[in-house]
Amino acid sequence: GQNIDQPTEMTATEGAIVQINCTYQTSGFNGLFWYQQHAGEAPTFLSYNVLDGLEEKGRFSSFLSRSKGYSYLLLKELQMKDSASYLCAVTDSNYQLIWGAGTKLIIKP
Amino acid sequence: DADVTQTPRNRITKTGKRIMLECSQTKGHDRMYWYRQDPGLGLRLIYYSFDVKDINKGEISDGYSVSRQAQAKFSLSLESAIPNQTALYFCATSGAGDTGELFFGEGSRLTVL
Repeated sequence: GQNIDQPTEMTATEGAIVQINCTYQTSGFNGLFWYQQHAGEAPTFLSYNVLDGLEEKGRFSSFLSRSKGYSYLLLKELQMKDSASYLCAVTDSNYQLIWGAGTKLIIKP
Repeated sequence: DADVTQTPRNRITKTGKRIMLECSQTKGHDRMYWYRQDPGLGLRLIYYSFDVKDINKGEISDGYSVSRQAQAKFSLSLESAIPNQTALYFCATSGAGDTGELFFGEGSRLTVL
């Protein structure tokens, strides 16, 4: 079956760096997304990786290794507003999106 | 105004009632989706539509139906609601030929008693 694994919850300190991992096993691969979702709100797009390597966008970076079925989202200079769930999703060979359950990130002062 | 609008935002209903959730978008996208989200689970696809004449079942379509009334409108119906359909429902859109990035509505929280 198809599967996306990411930690259920992580805690980090304001101003620090945190890395959220995502591993996937899917039938084919056509891209990996990271979304941010604040409690009770809609997910919003953060990043998209289709080739191996690191994509940097401000304080957020996303890394992909297709051979390892692995990605991570790196958040730098954490702010309290970064407290949210982070969703990893993979597009499979049929261009269907497979979603992970999300990682709840708690930022402490 | 939001590009993807869902109504109602919150609804409490009773078992056996018929419920319709509506979604409209101003992004000009052909592709529209309905997802449900439950605590501890990933987003699960209920139905999707790639254009007005195209309707496809997702992984959890049982107990639901949809209607694509126009390019901009996609509604989800629960013909006879049951308590395990209590969830947060999201409508989303994407553009054909793009990366597949989804644009979500604000969500509709449905409680079935």
